Amino acid sequence: AQSVTQPDIHITVSEGASLELRCNYSYGATPYLFWYVQSPGQGLQLLLKYFSGDTLVQGIKGFEAEFKRSQSSFNLRKPSVHWSDAAEYFCAVAGTDSWGKLQFGAGTQVVVTP
Amino acid sequence: NAGVTQTPKFQVLKTGQSMTLQCAQDMNHEYMSWYRQDPGMGLRLIHYSVGAGITDQGEVPNGYNVSRSTTEDFPLRLLSAAPSQTSVYFCASSWRDSGANVLTFGAGSRLTVL
Repeated sequence: AQSVTQPDIHITVSEGASLELRCNYSYGATPYLFWYVQSPGQGLQLLLKYFSGDTLVQGIKGFEAEFKRSQSSFNLRKPSVHWSDAAEYFCAVAGTDSWGKLQFGAGTQVVVTP
Repeated sequence: NAGVTQTPKFQVLKTGQSMTLQCAQDMNHEYMSWYRQDPGMGLRLIHYSVGAGITDQGEVPNGYNVSRSTTEDFPLRLLSAAPSQTSVYFCASSWRDSGANVLTFGAGSRLTVL
């Protein structure tokens, strides 16, 4: 069975500093990988996805993520955070035959301080 | 386009009451699904549908029913609400092709069962 672990429940970062959110997955083959962001009281918005090919994936809002097969990881990064990046971030995994059925991590809450 | 529309946004029920959460999408997506979000647990799949007339159970289906009579609509029914069903519910939809795992989410429905 597939699973996703986000080791950090809560991260506090200063505005302008870099941000890295960790995600580890368990899956028998190469899965589809996603990062979603949820602003307070809102639905989830897709930041980026990895299906195949280049292991460094660029997303919206200046985010990027790197797929590392050897470490079963898909960490999300941003070089310089903005106050508007304060949100909850979810990593998700899906099998190549799991149409529309994603397994989500527990989420990481990001707080941005002035 | 409206995308994925969920109603109501907020609902308070008493134990044993029934209700239906509505979900409609106007993107002609084949796949639709319902997730519930609970603190520290991320999103968990309740039910999903791969097309009109076809539904199946997800990870946490107990206490919920669904049907898919049209491509556009995918209502979630609680027949006898329990406090354990207090949660935020998200409906999502996606295409059937290789992007099928890229979900578009609704804004969510917050349900409280007393």
